[in-house]
Amino acid sequence: SQQGEEDPQALSIQEGENATMNCSYKTSINNLQWYRQNSGRGLVHLILIRSNEREKHSGRLRVTLDTSKKSSSLLITASRAADTASYFCATDGNNAGNMLTFGGGTRLMVKP
Amino acid sequence: DTEVTQTPKHLVMGMTNKKSLKCEQHMGHRAMYWYKQKAKKPPELMFVYSYEKLSINESVPSRFSPECPNSSLLNLHLHALQPEDSALYLCASSQELGGGGMEKLFFGSGTQLSVL
Repeated sequence: SQQGEEDPQALSIQEGENATMNCSYKTSINNLQWYRQNSGRGLVHLILIRSNEREKHSGRLRVTLDTSKKSSSLLITASRAADTASYFCATDGNNAGNMLTFGGGTRLMVKP
Repeated sequence: DTEVTQTPKHLVMGMTNKKSLKCEQHMGHRAMYWYKQKAKKPPELMFVYSYEKLSINESVPSRFSPECPNSSLLNLHLHALQPEDSALYLCASSQELGGGGMEKLFFGSGTQLSVL
């Protein structure tokens, strides 16, 4: 079953602009992760934020986590055409094995 | 080596065929996973192996049969598939199953499967 819902489903921006993607989830979690997927390829791990953390940075990426609202956001600053991809949040805690469950994803297009 | 290698990259098979998907990692990871992904959808978990033992089977039909011959290899045997099984099949690995929360997954590039 799908634990996370992502918003928006699709986002189109110009190079240099910032892109913000949101993820909401239903059950309590241990951690939340963000992945990137280029079309028809495997997923690449971007960042992991634990339930006791509120914000994390990695290069041009900034992730926030609000456990009281059961939501997270991924901000990509100064976007590049190469950032064009689908972005998925993934949470654990939704099943007996604490396996990762992926949200529906945001398809980001960055126009040069 | 931080790669998960999947072969073949593309596979076309008929409904009566038997084929296998292969996955290999040399990072010393003890947990390995099969995911299925339909176009424009998120990956869905199929199987999890932990220390070479099947840990989770997400109610996958028996026409999909996983196998973990050793700690570096993971196979998915396919038999009598249906056209609706056409999808991208992704293999992933992690250091181990974490009791305190899932650690990050390393994914292969996937096998794009078409069932005719």
